[in-house]
Amino acid sequence: QVTLRESAPALVKPTQTLTLTCTFSGFSLTTRTMCVSWIRQPPGKALEWLGVIDWAGDKYYSTSLKTRLTISTDTSKNQVVLTMTDMDPVDTATYYCARTLMVGTTNYFDYWGQGTLVTVSS
Amino acid sequence: DIQVTQSPSSLSASVGDRVSISCRASQNIRSYLNWYQQKPGKTPRLLIFGASTLQSGVPSRFSGSGSGSDFILIISSLQPEDFATYYCQQSYSTPWTFGQGTKVEIK
Repeated sequence: QVTLRESAPALVKPTQTLTLTCTFSGFSLTTRTMCVSWIRQPPGKALEWLGVIDWAGDKYYSTSLKTRLTISTDTSKNQVVLTMTDMDPVDTATYYCARTLMVGTTNYFDYWGQGTLVTVSS
Repeated sequence: DIQVTQSPSSLSASVGDRVSISCRASQNIRSYLNWYQQKPGKTPRLLIFGASTLQSGVPSRFSGSGSGSDFILIISSLQPEDFATYYCQQSYSTPWTFGQGTKVEIK
């Protein structure tokens, strides 16, 4: 059974760095085709993809946010960590991690965490 | 970045109606197009991947078609549980991008 769960502080102050942790089970991030993505959704708005780490440890990021984002992994703990620097109130959103399959002719998010709401406010 | 545009942004329909949602990419993305359903306060759910492959467990009233830059999601007979927001997403090249969503409301 595949599960993912995000954890993060509910409130961060402007200019602070946000650290989000995705703890997953039911698959291995070292298995070819397995990846974990980060996606966010501001209240009442659309989904926005942030970045992905694949089974080889390669990482890809949103163009607009790549200078602020870092994805890392601890495969021994089945965790993927996203750090986002210089937080701003516009970064207030529900942040999701999702298992991502890259299977040659297609890539997709098949399992999602329940999401964690992060509010940026002083 | 590849832009993905959905239309309409919202629609009203009745139970039993046939509903179609369009998704257009700013360039050729072959069949690298996925559809997700999101109900209020809930996590998105994968419906269709690779433009037309139904995810396991998704009812057969959902179907997807298209390739290149134009895609369609069809719900053949709308059910009460289908009232939600639908998103398309291109996975042809990173950065992957979502459409802005289509909200399907009860008429």
